[in-house]
Amino acid sequence: GQNIDQPTEMTATEGAIVQINCTYQTSGFNGLFWYQQHAGEAPTFLSYNVLDGLEEKGRFSSFLSRSKGYSYLLLKELQMKDSASYLCAVRDSNYQLIWGAGTKLIIKP
Amino acid sequence: ETGVTQTPRHLVMGMTNKKSLKCEQHLGHNAMYWYKQSAKKPLELMFVYNFKEQTENNSVPSRFSPECPNSSHLFLHLHTLQPEDSALYLCASSQESSGSSEQYFGPGTRLTVT
Repeated sequence: GQNIDQPTEMTATEGAIVQINCTYQTSGFNGLFWYQQHAGEAPTFLSYNVLDGLEEKGRFSSFLSRSKGYSYLLLKELQMKDSASYLCAVRDSNYQLIWGAGTKLIIKP
Repeated sequence: ETGVTQTPRHLVMGMTNKKSLKCEQHLGHNAMYWYKQSAKKPLELMFVYNFKEQTENNSVPSRFSPECPNSSHLFLHLHTLQPEDSALYLCASSQESSGSSEQYFGPGTRLTVT
């Protein structure tokens, strides 16, 4: 079966750096997405990786290793507003998005 | 504001009621989706429409009935639901249903079935 694994919850301190990991086992691979979802709100797109390596976008970076079935989202200079759930999703060989259950990130002052 | 709107935002309905959820996208996209989001579970894809044609139906019970009259509007008709259908129902759109295009989500309808 197809599976996306990510930690259920993480806690970090304001101003620090946090890395949220995502491992996947899917039938084929056509890209990996990270979304942010604040409580009670819609998921919003953060990043897309289809080739190995690091994609940087301001305070957020996303890394992909296709051979290891692994990605991480790196958040730097954490702010209180970064408290949210972070969803990892992989597009499989049928171009269907397979979603992880999300990682709830709690930022403490 | 993502360019995708959903109404109503909250809905409480009995198991014998019939109701409809509405989604509208103002992004000029060609693909639209219905998802179910339950607490601590992955997003479950329910239906996909690409250029108004249904391309995916992930074994969704017939008590959920989608309708896509044009590429900007999507409905989810509900009837004789069960309490386990209580969840957040999210609508999304993308440029197309394949490729690298990201999905834009609406704020969701919080559905409670009593």
